[in-house]
Amino acid sequence: DGGITQSPKYLFRKEGQNVTLSCEQNLNHDAMYWYRQDPGQGLRLIYYSQIVNDFQKGDIAEGYSVSREKKESFPLTVTSAQKNPTAFYLCASSIHGEQFFGPGTRLTVL
Amino acid sequence: AQRVTQPEKLLSVFKGAPVELKCNYSYSGSPELFWYVQYSRQRLQLLLRHISRESIKGFTADLNKGETSFHLKKPFAQEEDSAMYYCALSRGHYNTDKLIFGTGTRLQVFP
Repeated sequence: DGGITQSPKYLFRKEGQNVTLSCEQNLNHDAMYWYRQDPGQGLRLIYYSQIVNDFQKGDIAEGYSVSREKKESFPLTVTSAQKNPTAFYLCASSIHGEQFFGPGTRLTVL
Repeated sequence: AQRVTQPEKLLSVFKGAPVELKCNYSYSGSPELFWYVQYSRQRLQLLLRHISRESIKGFTADLNKGETSFHLKKPFAQEEDSAMYYCALSRGHYNTDKLIFGTGTRLQVFP
């Protein structure tokens, strides 16, 4: 079954803790993206990667980090420096201009 | 700066009524415009893009460069059209370029 998977679906963390969100794709896409979705604000780009071992900051990268060691994987770490981390996080990959989205991870900071 | 504006947070219509979801953009180059849709409990997915000039599920959207608009239209709304709709802009480099999303419009179609 092809597509993009994100895990976990729900994630809870305490303030001051780092947490890593998983994103895997078997679509053989070069480009991958992380978005944050907040009510009334649409989707905002956190980081994106055009190719393995390369990534660029998006519009709201502060407090986040990523890695792209494999084509299939693009994990996002939400660090304790992120001031308002509670949100819904979406991962995507793209080919020929169309982006394909994962099911999302809802992160709640307690 | 590039920006996508969707002025309506919520649009409510009755089944069979025409629908128009507004989208305006600001970009000095030649953009590519998209509409993405998120149905309840489903993933965000592409609905249509202006270069394909297709009608998907009865929806159409025409790029108007003079008015910098890409409004989504459907002549007769159906209940299953109820969803969150996002307009998005790409600078047209395909594959490796990021999308800029609007804030979204929730469409509610009442029976």
